[in-house]
Amino acid sequence: QAQLVESGGGVVQPGRSLRLSCSASGFVFSSYGMHWVRQAPGKGLEWVAVISFDGSKTYYEDSVAGRFTISRDNSKNTLYLQMNSLRPEDTALYSCARVPATYAGDGFDIWGQGTMVTVST
Amino acid sequence: EIVLTQSPDFQSVTPKETVTITCRASQSVGGNLHWYQQKPNQSPKLLIRYVSQPFSGVPSRFTGSGSGADFTLTINSLEPEDAATYYCHQSSSLPLTFGGGTKVEIK
Repeated sequence: QAQLVESGGGVVQPGRSLRLSCSASGFVFSSYGMHWVRQAPGKGLEWVAVISFDGSKTYYEDSVAGRFTISRDNSKNTLYLQMNSLRPEDTALYSCARVPATYAGDGFDIWGQGTMVTVST
Repeated sequence: EIVLTQSPDFQSVTPKETVTITCRASQSVGGNLHWYQQKPNQSPKLLIRYVSQPFSGVPSRFTGSGSGADFTLTINSLEPEDAATYYCHQSSSLPLTFGGGTKVEIK
């Protein structure tokens, strides 16, 4: 059974960094594009970033570009999101999601449960 | 960036009624439009891929239609378990975007 499990969230002060991880199981991780999507408390879904199946292509939402870095280790079946210079508006539940494609096409067919990031003094 | 505008924001309906949710894109997304259902404290679930293709295991009462920039999710004969927020999503171009969501409440 395909599954995604996020970890690494927590409470952090503005300007600090955090690294999220997403562990995949039950499918051939190295064959799929992977995404991060976030949801602020009580708000809608916001797409954050994508990485291609082999890690050669990435793309970011404008508000995180230059601060966040998406990466993957296919040998460990793990997706990462390095978040630097965090801002209060980055406070959200961060979920990883798979597309049944090598990069960005198609809908997200598998989602993790998410890990909460709170940026606050 | 392609902006997706959903309507209505909220709908309160009785069981067995039909619900229609629309999603309008700021430019054509072709057939690259998908729908999700999110229940409270749960992750979103893919309902419809590429405008009208039901995802595996999705009940037949959920149907999608549309083309270009105007799309519709229809829930026929609403069941109590369909109480949720529904989102559209476009994968036509980066950055990917979601609609603002439509909350469906059961009376």
